[in-house]
Amino acid sequence: QKEVEQNSGPLSVPEGAIASLNCTYSDRGSQSFFWYRQYSGKSPELIMFIYSNGDKEDGRFTAQLNKASQYVSLLIRDSQPSDSATYLCAVRSGGSNYKLTFGKGTLLTVNP
Amino acid sequence: GAVVSQHPSWVICKSGTSVKIECRSLDFQATTMFWYRQFPKQSLMLMATSNEGSKATYEQGVEKDKFLINHASLTLSTLTVTSAHPEDSSFYICSAPRLTGELFFGEGSRLTVL
Repeated sequence: QKEVEQNSGPLSVPEGAIASLNCTYSDRGSQSFFWYRQYSGKSPELIMFIYSNGDKEDGRFTAQLNKASQYVSLLIRDSQPSDSATYLCAVRSGGSNYKLTFGKGTLLTVNP
Repeated sequence: GAVVSQHPSWVICKSGTSVKIECRSLDFQATTMFWYRQFPKQSLMLMATSNEGSKATYEQGVEKDKFLINHASLTLSTLTVTSAHPEDSSFYICSAPRLTGELFFGEGSRLTVL
C-alpha cells in the first residue's frame, strides 16, 4: 500500500524563522510531489510541486526532493503568522491517472 | 484566481433529502476529477474518481448508491448525496488535474444535514 508520512506536529516557529516540513513516501515509483497549504475551514491550495531531485525555489518557499531517500521537504523562509496552516504533502505514482496520495498533514503555527 | 469552482459553498438540508454539488474546471478540460470528504480536524479522504464518459470509481467503503457522481462534460462533475442523514454532514471538496499534472481543488462545500 502506498503511504505518505508526515509529522503531524504541531510545529511551532517564531516569526521570521525558517519552518521545515518533512515528508517520506513508500512507493519508489513515485514521480511527482506536491505541497498544499490548507487553512482551517478552507480547501487545500497548491503552493509547490517538484518532479526532479534537488531544490526548487519559489519566493519564500523551497521544495527539496531526494528520490533515493524517498524524502521530500518544504522550507518556508521568513515565516509569517499568515503561514500558519496545515501543510499537506502529496505524491503521485507513475501511471496513476493523476490520483494523489496525501499525507495527513503537518500543522504549522508561526508565533508573532 | 480559482481554476476549479465548486458550488454551493454551504448547504443545509433536512434529513432524507438529496443534495447536489457541482464542480467545474474553469480554464481547462478535465477528463478526471476527484471527490474528497473531510471531517473536522481530520485528513482528506478520497471518496471517488469521476471519469468523463464512464462510471465513477469509488474507494473502498464509499457507497456508490448514496454518493452519485456524474461527469457530464469535460468541465463539469457533480456529486449528489442521496437521502442525506446527519452523519453525512461534512466538508466535500472536488479537485481536477491539469494535463501538466498539477491538481487543483475547488473551494469546498460544507454540508449540514439537520
